[in-house]
Amino acid sequence: NAGVTQTPKFQVLKTGQSMTLQCAQDMNHEYMSWYRQDPGMGLRLIHYSVGAGITDQGEVPNGYNVSRSTTEDFPLRLLSAAPSQTSVYFCATTPPGGRFHEQYFGPGTRLTVT
Amino acid sequence: AQSVTQPDIHITVSEGASLELRCNYSYGATPYLFWYVQSPGQGLQLLLKYFSGDTLVQGIKGFEAEFKRSQSSFNLRKPSVHWSDAAESVCAVGSSSGGYQKVTFGIGTKLQVIP
Repeated sequence: NAGVTQTPKFQVLKTGQSMTLQCAQDMNHEYMSWYRQDPGMGLRLIHYSVGAGITDQGEVPNGYNVSRSTTEDFPLRLLSAAPSQTSVYFCATTPPGGRFHEQYFGPGTRLTVT
Repeated sequence: AQSVTQPDIHITVSEGASLELRCNYSYGATPYLFWYVQSPGQGLQLLLKYFSGDTLVQGIKGFEAEFKRSQSSFNLRKPSVHWSDAAESVCAVGSSSGGYQKVTFGIGTKLQVIP
């Protein structure tokens, strides 16, 4: 099993550009999440999904869109990138039972917006 | 609102020495508590978790943590540190309200191990 994979590993965008961060998992977990990690702050939840076709906002959803058409994939879209979105982004999955059980994290995407 | 404080941003220990990383939480009821480890360029990996029961929890890689309700703490310990333990450790607290599960992560403590 590959677990949770994220692409790309690194990305530089100019302000106003759009892009999609990819997240894929092969563990058949229904619950998937997107977090951002910024210096001096803990991980913050952007969006999450409890299954295909169902998504909801986390703590910091502004500027990001998600959709979930399959169990395996949970892409994160930045429609118009801003410097405040410079961060490291992590995708995570959770096995049945909810987020209080072990979350499996991808290796992250480091995004810089200039 | 729940919160997590990790007072030490950076800790240096000698290989073979004991380790204790501090974590204090704020939450009104009994929390769910976690420690994760993050190696450079990697995502977080769960070291251990506390839900209920025995307040001393054993985890992977020889780590343990003790839940102390009176001190609102969940400190991570290891009796003898190995060079491979150098990483960032993140404490987290979880709560459940109205069917929504919320996990709050600390800012992390970076551990440096010197020979």
